[in-house]
Amino acid sequence: DAKTTQPTSMDCAEGRAANLPCNHSTISGNEYVYWYRQIHSQGPQYIIHGLKNNETNEMASLIITEDRKSSTLILPHATLRDTAVYYCIVRVSDPASKLTFGTGTRLQVTL
Amino acid sequence: GAVVSQHPSRVICKSGTSVKIECRSLDFQATTMFWYRQFPKQSLMLMATSNEGSKATYEQGVEKDKFLINHASLTLSTLTVTSAHPEDSSFYICSARWTSGRGGSYNEQFFGPGTRLTVL
Repeated sequence: DAKTTQPTSMDCAEGRAANLPCNHSTISGNEYVYWYRQIHSQGPQYIIHGLKNNETNEMASLIITEDRKSSTLILPHATLRDTAVYYCIVRVSDPASKLTFGTGTRLQVTL
Repeated sequence: GAVVSQHPSRVICKSGTSVKIECRSLDFQATTMFWYRQFPKQSLMLMATSNEGSKATYEQGVEKDKFLINHASLTLSTLTVTSAHPEDSSFYICSARWTSGRGGSYNEQFFGPGTRLTVL
């Protein structure tokens, strides 16, 4: 699976949009981009995933560049409860493939 | 999303004893479950992949005789840490990949809340 690069940490004011970038320049055509987050001392939580089109759900939006070499996770109105480590992972859509976690981005939402 | 539970959430044991951790998919069937380990301030590391009815596949460096995995049904997988030692103290997290039982896609993988193991 392709490697991803994320900033180590980011801050965001409560109520503002949090934009978390991810680089995946070696992504191949059959690999999806997944985002998970892990709140302290909990298991990871699935957020969203996409292949090439932008995606939106009740939690977030995922913007994937046209060349698919990078993406941005957008939390439109961050709250204190969004403070967590956010992981960007690329993986082929195959039941046997694995989710491999990198170091992620530690997002701190502040008042 | 689908719910994955783990039991116990926290366990403290003496060195040399064995500890069993259960992972259940509550509202869906999971032919594949995964076990991860996470040390403080580190990311999740995949230990093994468990398929229902077959032997688990372990990642490089993970001792299969120490970390026994059983996936006897589509909703239950267990991890047994045998002869636990203080260096096995960690946060163990299971994950289940959705395959059937609810509308959705097998692309989604759901995680349990984790089990914190402390070996004295």
